Amino acid sequence: DTAVSQTPKYLVTQMGNDKSIKCEQNLGHDTMYWYKQDSKKFLKIMFSYNNKELIINETVPNRFSPKSPDKAHLNLHINSLELGDSAVYFCASSQDGGSQPQHFGDGTRLSIL
Amino acid sequence: QQQVKQSPQSLIVQKGGISIINCAYENTAFDYFPWYQQFPGKGPALLIAIRPDVSEKKEGRFTISFNKSAKQFSLHIMDSQPGDSATYFCAASGGGATNKLIFGTGTLLAVQP
Repeated sequence: DTAVSQTPKYLVTQMGNDKSIKCEQNLGHDTMYWYKQDSKKFLKIMFSYNNKELIINETVPNRFSPKSPDKAHLNLHINSLELGDSAVYFCASSQDGGSQPQHFGDGTRLSIL
Repeated sequence: QQQVKQSPQSLIVQKGGISIINCAYENTAFDYFPWYQQFPGKGPALLIAIRPDVSEKKEGRFTISFNKSAKQFSLHIMDSQPGDSATYFCAASGGGATNKLIFGTGTLLAVQP
């Protein structure tokens, strides 16, 4: 059983389009995250939700909107995609807030043409 | 103050040798220091983690050494194997319930047979 699963694994689209990435975790965790990994492999947090409540919102363009329908799911919607949005997006989850181990999905590689 | 500095950027080690990766931080509020291992096409996977109340933690061939006064921590991989070839990230978090992980820039390790 995959603990943190993301779909799709690959996303190739045109500039200006709107796309969504879905994430689900079956670990029973109540905190979920979105990270962005750029072409130099630098990992940076974007958002975090705890029990469907937004608790971290880094300096991310408002074209990016996370949505958490329940504590096992955290989706990421991106409007008006730009070339600079090309990256690998990782979803992660952990138990509670605080300093707890985070479990990552295998990522969604987003390529903007 | 939120940065975690990691070195070296890349590392080549012979099979059976010791791989050492170093990280340094500034924020004394950090209270959790994990190391993640990432293979191509996969998400980061937690390898080992330490909290500042101990100076060393060992799990199998992997050891974290932690120097609180110097604000440095390092990963030692003993008896390095070709299967250890991956990108390694140090990280730090703490100072509240947000559990925001700050990642180092990564070290690409290649273990030659």
